[in-house]
Amino acid sequence: KQEVTQIPAALSVPEGENLVLNCSFTDSAIYNLQWFRQDPGKGLTSLLLIQSSQREQTSGRLNASLDKSSGRSTLYIAASQPGDSATYLCAVRQWAGNNRKLIWGLGTSLAVNP
Amino acid sequence: GAVVSQHPSRVICKSGTSVKIECRSLDFQATTMFWYRQFPKQSLMLMATSNEGSKATYEQGVEKDKFLINHASLTLSTLTVTSAHPEDSSFYICSAVPLAGGSGYEQYFGPGTRLTVT
Repeated sequence: KQEVTQIPAALSVPEGENLVLNCSFTDSAIYNLQWFRQDPGKGLTSLLLIQSSQREQTSGRLNASLDKSSGRSTLYIAASQPGDSATYLCAVRQWAGNNRKLIWGLGTSLAVNP
Repeated sequence: GAVVSQHPSRVICKSGTSVKIECRSLDFQATTMFWYRQFPKQSLMLMATSNEGSKATYEQGVEKDKFLINHASLTLSTLTVTSAHPEDSSFYICSAVPLAGGSGYEQYFGPGTRLTVT
């Protein structure tokens, strides 16, 4: 059974710092991995999606890497801003018929202080 | 584009009553919608997969008679929590998979519905 773990559970940093969020998964046979952002009491926004054949994806100040063999992904946020404060969720996608279900980590709650 | 709405955003109901939550894809059609629930400080738990024109597929441990799902059209799925109890209080989130276009991996999420059962 696939399990997704995110470390740390919470992180508080001053504005401007570069930071790394970690995600690990127990079964390396994934289809792809996705990072999401969730603002308090709101839905989710997809940040980056990495296919199992890819090593990394970049979008603006965000860079996500994937090491499928070791079951790890990292989300790197450069020059953090207060607006980056949110919960970051990692999810892996495995085939389940046509559902392509996502299996979720518990998230990392990030606070960027001005 | 790709906006998913949920209604209501918050609802408080008394124990024993039923509550209906709507999930709508506003600018695209979706044959598949997912329903999740999220407890405080916990991750999303997939409850069921809703398919337009057919019965929903429920995850193990989710009572299909308690959580009724109806995917009435390509833009609307509803989740009805029947005979609600305080332990059903949670944050319910839906997501929709576009019928056409994209990579096939997109899921667009609604803003969630906060259900409180008193």
